[in-house]
Amino acid sequence: EVQLLESGGGLVQPGGSLRLSCAASGFTFSSYALSWVRQAPGRGLEWVSSISDAGGRTYYADSVQGRFTISRDNSKNMLYLQMNSLRAEDTAVYYCANIRGLIDSWGQGTLVTVSS
Amino acid sequence: QSALTQAASVSGSPGQSITISCTGTSSGVHAYNYVSWYQQHPGKAPKLMIYDVSNRPSGVSNRFSGSKSGNTVSLTISGLQAEDEADYYCASYTSSRTWVFGGGTKVTVL
Repeated sequence: EVQLLESGGGLVQPGGSLRLSCAASGFTFSSYALSWVRQAPGRGLEWVSSISDAGGRTYYADSVQGRFTISRDNSKNMLYLQMNSLRAEDTAVYYCANIRGLIDSWGQGTLVTVSS
Repeated sequence: QSALTQAASVSGSPGQSITISCTGTSSGVHAYNYVSWYQQHPGKAPKLMIYDVSNRPSGVSNRFSGSKSGNTVSLTISGLQAEDEADYYCASYTSSRTWVFGGGTKVTVL
């Protein structure tokens, strides 16, 4: 069974940092590009960042460029998102996914709340 | 990184067909066939309904179909059912190697 399981969310103060993780199983992890997608409370889906299958190419939304870093460990089937200088507007549920749909599975997401 | 344009809401009666449109730019929807559609019920994770414009994952009802014309992609739901009431999002790959989502369309079954 294909699974993506996010973790690492929580409450953090503005300016703080968090590292999200996504554990993958049920497919050949190293063959697929993956992304982080977020959804603020009551809002739509927003693409955050993507990484190529081998990890050599990374892409970011303007809203997180310079603050977030995506990475992956293909030996552990893990995807990560390091989030620094967090702002209130980063509050959202964060999902890892293959947006194109080649991996038909989204986890339940992990909630990040940025508040003092 | 402009969002794709979707109507805020679409409604239909049970058994009817409805179409949700998603309009992008020449650097996104028009240039690539990497467009996917997601269904999201309240409090739930998004569910893939269509990928690569018109392909349906296994397990998704054949009442759902996708198409593209120029800068616009569409999701058609035929034989509308109460369980189809949800938010629907389109997503497109872009020439900048990024992804962009539509703002979402709320489908109401009357």
